[in-house]
Amino acid sequence: ILNVEQSPQSLHVQEGDSTNFTCSFPSSNFYALHWYRWETAKSPEALFVMTLNGDEKKKGRISATLNTKEGYSYLYIKGSQPEDSATYLCASNAGGTSYGKLTFGQGTILTVHP
Amino acid sequence: NAGVTQTPKFQVLKTGQSMTLQCAQDMNHNSMYWYRQDPGMGLRLIYYSASEGTTDKGEVPNGYNVSRLNKREFSLRLESAAPSQTSVYFCASSEAWSLYNEQFFGPGTRLTVL
Repeated sequence: ILNVEQSPQSLHVQEGDSTNFTCSFPSSNFYALHWYRWETAKSPEALFVMTLNGDEKKKGRISATLNTKEGYSYLYIKGSQPEDSATYLCASNAGGTSYGKLTFGQGTILTVHP
Repeated sequence: NAGVTQTPKFQVLKTGQSMTLQCAQDMNHNSMYWYRQDPGMGLRLIYYSASEGTTDKGEVPNGYNVSRLNKREFSLRLESAAPSQTSVYFCASSEAWSLYNEQFFGPGTRLTVL
């Protein structure tokens, strides 16, 4: 299984700042890229499932882009709020088949200070 | 709808003891998964069940067994617990055995093996 890497590992920003982080994945045999948001003491929740090169998805202040040819995705948060503090996980098939097995990155921990 | 439920929430075991983690979903999903989460690492797939009646090994299956009891329930058994199995365990489900479907996660079970 090839790796899914996320950077940075952690990030501290002030309320109102915009921020972004990166997910890198194997570009060969790509099928899908998932983003999940995981708040402390809660379950991970899906933000986006992205499949096509050039895909852009948006949910409120959070958006994501996908580059399957070079194997990366960016997650952007505009005007960060304290409630955005969470671990953001990405996952892909990492060179595997089109079926349901995902390989997760280690996550980016975002802390938004009031 | 409760979504994905897991029991217990917390458990402490002694080395060599056995236990079963229970998972149930009420979304009529076909596929279910067991992951473990360790500090600094992404979610790692232990076992999965693509559909009722089937189970298969994931990335880290050693020391575990699973049972897909029916469409709703998927249990994870530790036959002889070891300290290396200290972790947070998440059950998840998805509508189908496909990378294009998001996964829904339970609240997790925090297991400590002494």
